[in-house]
Amino acid sequence: GQNIDQPTEMTATEGAIVQINCTYQTSGFNGLFWYQQHAGEAPTFLSYNVLDGLEEKGRFSSFLSRSKGYSYLLLKELQMKDSASYLCAVRDSNYQLIWGAGTKLIIKP
Amino acid sequence: IAGITQAPTSQILAAGRRMTLRCTQDMRHNAMYWYRQDLGLGLRLIHYSNTAGTTGKGEVPDGYSVSRANTDDFPLTLASAVPSQTSVYFCASSDGQDTDTQYFGPGTRLTVL
Repeated sequence: GQNIDQPTEMTATEGAIVQINCTYQTSGFNGLFWYQQHAGEAPTFLSYNVLDGLEEKGRFSSFLSRSKGYSYLLLKELQMKDSASYLCAVRDSNYQLIWGAGTKLIIKP
Repeated sequence: IAGITQAPTSQILAAGRRMTLRCTQDMRHNAMYWYRQDLGLGLRLIHYSNTAGTTGKGEVPDGYSVSRANTDDFPLTLASAVPSQTSVYFCASSDGQDTDTQYFGPGTRLTVL
């Protein structure tokens, strides 16, 4: 079967750095997405990786290793507004997105 | 309209009733999707449409039907609602560009009693 694993919950301090990991086992790979979802709201797109390596976008970076079936989302200079769930999703061989259950990130002052 | 809209925002429904969730996008995206989101689970695909006039089944299609008469609208119908269909429903569309990123509507919170 297909599987996306992420930690259920993480806690970090305002101003710090946090890394959210995602491991996947899917039938085929056609890209990996990270989305942010605030409570009661829709998921919003953060980043996309299809090749190995690091993609940087402001305070957020995303890394991919296809050989290891592994990605992480790195958030720097954490702000209170970063408190949200972070969803990892992989596009499989059928070109459908397979979603992880999400990591709830709690930011403390 | 800007992006994707969904209606209603929330609904409480008696079991056995028929219900249609509406989704409209103004981005001229070809592909559209319906997901449900339940606590502790990832988003699960119900149905999708790659272009107007075509639809396909996702991971959890039973009890749901869709139609795609035009590019903008993609309604989801529950023919006879059951309590296990209590969930938050998200509609999404994708741009068909290199990343084919999906963009989500605000969601419909449905409770079936």
